[in-house]
Parts: sequence; structure tokens; C-alpha cells
Amino acid sequence: GEDVEQSLFLSVREGDSSVINCTYTDSSSTYLYWYKQEPGAGLQLLTYIFSNMDMKQDQRLTVLLNKKDKHLSLRIADTQTGDSAIYFCAETANDYKLSFGAGTTVTVRA
Amino acid sequence: EPEVTQTPSHQVTQMGQEVILRCVPISNHLYFYWYRQILGQKVEFLVSFYNNEISEKSEIFDDQFSVERPDGSNFTLKIRSTKLEDSAMYFCASSAGQGSSQPQHFGDGTRLSIL
Repeated sequence: GEDVEQSLFLSVREGDSSVINCTYTDSSSTYLYWYKQEPGAGLQLLTYIFSNMDMKQDQRLTVLLNKKDKHLSLRIADTQTGDSAIYFCAETANDYKLSFGAGTTVTVRA
Repeated sequence: EPEVTQTPSHQVTQMGQEVILRCVPISNHLYFYWYRQILGQKVEFLVSFYNNEISEKSEIFDDQFSVERPDGSNFTLKIRSTKLEDSAMYFCASSAGQGSSQPQHFGDGTRLSIL
């Protein structure tokens, strides 16, 4: 079955880059996603990458995918206090179902 | 920006009672989903729904659960006889089409507390 793993916590200083890592087991994953959850809110889609890509950049966000190692990362440049949230990695091998990691809680300190 | 809306934000129900969670997906979306997140655990897939029928469901989605699109805008999740272990945050999601390139957009969730 699908298994997605993330480190649980990350503390970063304001202005520095954050890197959140994720590993997955399903080699048939086609798309991988990053969602952000702020306190009391739902899951906000941040970005996603197709499995035949190595990298995708979207403003301050850079997604790196190492398909051989089944490793996905999200880099947030110039981290701001508003980036404090839980970040979820998710993957899908079919059209219907997302499998999520446990989420990484990012705390931005001044 | 269009969004998925869920009501209520918090539902408190006695064990054994029926509960209906409501969702209004994004208006031009065709695929609808329910997920749940038990406190401290991962977000888990429950069910997907397209063209008025279930496309896929997980082991969690047993006979106590049902989904319905009663009109052109709402998508509901019913739990027939709630158990304590049904306490969780329930998320509704929708997507524009089939295919992983059509990402799922989530609502803010309904926190269900079973007493």
C-alpha cells in the first residue's frame, strides 16, 4: 500500500530558507502535492509536480523530486511568519485518492 | 477565488445518532471526495464520487457511511449510527476533472465530536 513519511517539526528563522522533506513508497505515483494547513483552516493546495519532472518553481516555492529515491522536498525561500503552518505531502497513483503524510509543523521564529 | 465550503464547522452528536455533514463543492467541479483526520493522525481518504456514484472507497467507508449529491450544489456525508471513534475532522474536496493533473481543492473541514 501507499506510505508517505515526513519529519514532524521544522523550526526556521525568518528570512532563511525552509526545506521540508517527504518520502513515499508507491512507485506508481503519478503526481505529488504539497498542501498547507494554517490553524483552524482547511488544506490549501500550494503546488504539485508530475512524476516525470525533477523540479518545479513557483515564486518562493521550489519542489524537487527524486523519483529513484522516492524523495520529494519543498523549499520555501525567504521564510516569513505567515509561512508558519503544517505542510502535508500527498501522492496519488490513480485519479481518485490522495495519500497524505502526517504533516510537518513549520515554526518561523523572529 | 472559488472555494469549497463546509457546514457546520463543528458538530457535536450523541453516540448512536445519525449525522449529516454538508459540503458545497466548487461550482464547475465534477469529482467530489471526503477525507477525515483523527486528532494526531494522518488525513485519510474515505470516498470519491463522480456522476452520481461512488468511484472508490476505503476500508473505513463501511455500511454506516453514505454519500449523496441531493441537488446540483450540495454533497453530503451521512454517518448512520455514530461511534466514539468517528470523532475527527472531516474534509470535503472537489476537482475539476479526472486525472491527477486536476488537483483536489479542500474545504475548511467539519470537526465532529461524538459524546
